[in-house]
Amino acid sequence: GAVVSQHPSWVICKSGTSVKIECRSLDFQATTMFWYRQFPKQSLMLMATSNEGSKATYEQGVEKDKFLINHASLTLSTLTVTSAHPEDSSFYICSAFLAGVATATFFGQGTRLTVV
Amino acid sequence: GENVEQHPSTLSVQEGDSAVIKCTYSDSASNYFPWYKQELGKRPQLIIDIRSNVGEKKDQRIAVTLNKTAKHFSLHITETQPEDSAVYFCAATYNNNDMRFGAGTRLTVKP
Repeated sequence: GAVVSQHPSWVICKSGTSVKIECRSLDFQATTMFWYRQFPKQSLMLMATSNEGSKATYEQGVEKDKFLINHASLTLSTLTVTSAHPEDSSFYICSAFLAGVATATFFGQGTRLTVV
Repeated sequence: GENVEQHPSTLSVQEGDSAVIKCTYSDSASNYFPWYKQELGKRPQLIIDIRSNVGEKKDQRIAVTLNKTAKHFSLHITETQPEDSAVYFCAATYNNNDMRFGAGTRLTVKP
């Protein structure tokens, strides 16, 4: 299947600092990527939809100034957690879908963020 | 927006038995229903999907059924094996946009 690569796979940062997470579609172009957050033993919650060349669409309750999303190319979307706090510690996962005959959504490997 | 409910939250079966996980969705416009398997700390892996123009789909030990009228779909795993133990998520979406997930089912297959 199509490959979506996410980097880093884990990161520890100090409270108040910012962290950037990258999501790349390696073998296909993705005009739309999605960012999810998953707390322990919970489901994936959609944070925002990232559209290439335009502003991201955020879900209700997600602070757009805190979770900055940039989708500058058809293969890269980035999520920056600004002024991170311990409550932002979570598993962040991106996804992209491959449109065509076999339309399906593929996930990055996830980033475990720990804010200390 | 779409709302997906998934049951049960935990399921424990004996190796060789069948497991069934059920989901309901709210948006009649949804036309794509994937199922994902997620092992601890790893990305969700697509295991099977079904589109709204099909009522049933099977892939070896895994099958999915869809009832559009009732707006529910189910995952069936037959001849379960210990390696089937994981968390399973159902999802619903219209054309892969704004995919919404169920709460997940933790399946444990006891040897």
